[in-house]
Amino acid sequence: GAVVSQHPSWVICKSGTSVKIECRSLDFQATTMFWYRQFPKQSLMLMATSNEGSKATYEQGVEKDKFLINHASLTLSTLTVTSAHPEDSSFYICSVGSEYYEQYFGPGTRLTVT
Amino acid sequence: AQTVTQSQPEMSVQEAETVTLSCTYDTSESDYYLFWYKQPPSRQMILVIRQEAYKQQNATENRFSVNFQKAAKSFSLKISDSQLGDAAMYFCAYRSADFGNEKLTFGTGTRLTIIP
Repeated sequence: GAVVSQHPSWVICKSGTSVKIECRSLDFQATTMFWYRQFPKQSLMLMATSNEGSKATYEQGVEKDKFLINHASLTLSTLTVTSAHPEDSSFYICSVGSEYYEQYFGPGTRLTVT
Repeated sequence: AQTVTQSQPEMSVQEAETVTLSCTYDTSESDYYLFWYKQPPSRQMILVIRQEAYKQQNATENRFSVNFQKAAKSFSLKISDSQLGDAAMYFCAYRSADFGNEKLTFGTGTRLTIIP
């Protein structure tokens, strides 16, 4: 399956600042990437679908002005959490859709907002 | 909208024994895909097995097999010869077969503990 990396793996930022998380597809050209959020001991919740060269599609209830997604190339999508607050602290995971219908996931990024 | 239900928040099994994790789903679609993903303590999501709804034959991957009952909308995972490395959260997931609709809908997960 596709190999997906995320950077950073863990980030701590102060309330009110912005933080960018990168998701890279290392061996597969991904026209579509997905961003999920996972709270402790909970399931994955899809935040948005990132499409290369076009605007992301956000799920209901996700603030698109707060969670900025850019999919500038077939191998890179970024999620920027703007004006982060402690309630944004979570585990963020990206994934890549494959030609076999499943998704392959990155290792995740733990965001802590102080 | 599709929903996925995992009714067993936690399960445990003795090492080398067999365990079955349950999953049911609700959909009005006739063609779709179902998956089981594993999330160990590292939190890396790992694909365990997938099933195409149009296939009647149950998928098998080494020690992992599924019991897919389309009419009952049931998709259980059987792990044979359980190993310590199988300890993880297991998520059942649904994906429409519609072109352009690649979203995965996850269940709430089952935490599997392996007893040595």
